[in-house]
Parts: sequence; structure tokens; C-alpha cells
Amino acid sequence: SQQGEEDPQALSIQEGENATMNCSYKTSINNLQWYRQNSGRGLVHLILIRSNEREKHSGRLRVTLDTSKKSSSLLITASRAADTASYFCATALNTGGFKTIFGAGTRLFVKA
Amino acid sequence: NAGVTQTPKFRVLKTGQSMTLLCAQDMNHEYMYWYRQDPGMGLRLIHYSVGEGTTAKGEVPDGYNVSRLKKQNFLLGLESAAPSQTSVYFCASGTTTGELFFGEGSRLTVL
Repeated sequence: SQQGEEDPQALSIQEGENATMNCSYKTSINNLQWYRQNSGRGLVHLILIRSNEREKHSGRLRVTLDTSKKSSSLLITASRAADTASYFCATALNTGGFKTIFGAGTRLFVKA
Repeated sequence: NAGVTQTPKFRVLKTGQSMTLLCAQDMNHEYMYWYRQDPGMGLRLIHYSVGEGTTAKGEVPDGYNVSRLKKQNFLLGLESAAPSQTSVYFCASGTTTGELFFGEGSRLTVL
């Protein structure tokens, strides 16, 4: 099974609401990242949080990391219709380079 | 500045045929990756490379081979394609801090 598992699998909200997605993983990591994928496109990097960090912000994004629980959350504030996409967490294991493993993703639909 | 370029973008193969997917990056990244994505699923790591001349197995390496003869290129080969290898394949290059940059994908259908 994959290193990262997202929850929920799908999320539907109204524009202006906040969206929260969670990710759990199984082994020690070097860092955890969140990516966005629009339908039919490649993934785009959103934010990276290192294992010694607990919280990070980037614009409307807030990421938390709890290494004791092996979990992370991504919060998107004041969501917009353009935020509709799939969001994936990825954990990086340092094996002399980064072996980066993705979860199954959360599909977010923001209704205008 | 093209970033990560994958060729071809689409390919249809018959069972047993072979093919190579090419990934090229112009960002001078050390790390490169090949993933596959199946409907409703996340990306599964096939093989990756931490530098020119190196390769390593990922989560689902069986049925695939890779080569990294030049730093900017990472090739994914299918020696004898099977219907189970029908998927969208994504290449990525990565920085030393772990951030990945993805290509737009190669859609492969094996009949």
C-alpha cells in the first residue's frame, strides 16, 4: 500500500468556504509535500514542509505536520471555483536522494 | 524554458510490443522520476534516479526498465507491453530540497 493516504477521498464545498484535507503516512520521512492536479494535466507543487517543521503558510494555503501521529493537513482558505482540482500529499524518504511517494488524493469541487 | 517535456504524449501498442518513453528536463536537476497514474488513483513510483548513470526501483518496477545516460534525460522502457500497463505516465524532475516538477503526461494504451 502507498505511503500516504488522503482523507476525504472527495470534498464538495461552496465558494468562500474553507477546505481541509488530511494525509496520513506510515514511515519516517524527510519532508512532506502537497501537489495539485487539474484534470488531464501534470501535478503542480504547492508547498513543502520539513520533518522538523510543524506549520507552514503560503498565500491561502496552510499546512500542518504532526510527526508523532504521522499525519498532515492542508487547509485552503476562502476557496474559489478555480481551486477545483485533485490534491495529493507526497512523502519524501531520504535514500541518498529523495524517494517520493504519493497518496491517492482528494478530489475537491468548489461550487460557485 | 520548457521545464519537463515528455514524448510521445499518446501511444497505442499491441500486447507484446516494446516502446520507450522519453523525459527531458532543462532545469539541471539531479533527481528524476517516472510515475504511473491509473483512474481514481494517485501516482505510483516506477523507477527513479538520483543522478546521471544511477537508477533505483520504486513501488511498481516490474515490467519496466529505465536509463539515465545523460543528466537531462530519463528513459522509461517497456520490453513487452501488457494490457495492465495501460496508464498515464508522468515524468518529474526534482530539486535537492525535494520539490518535484512534472511533465504533462504520456497516455499509453495497450490492446
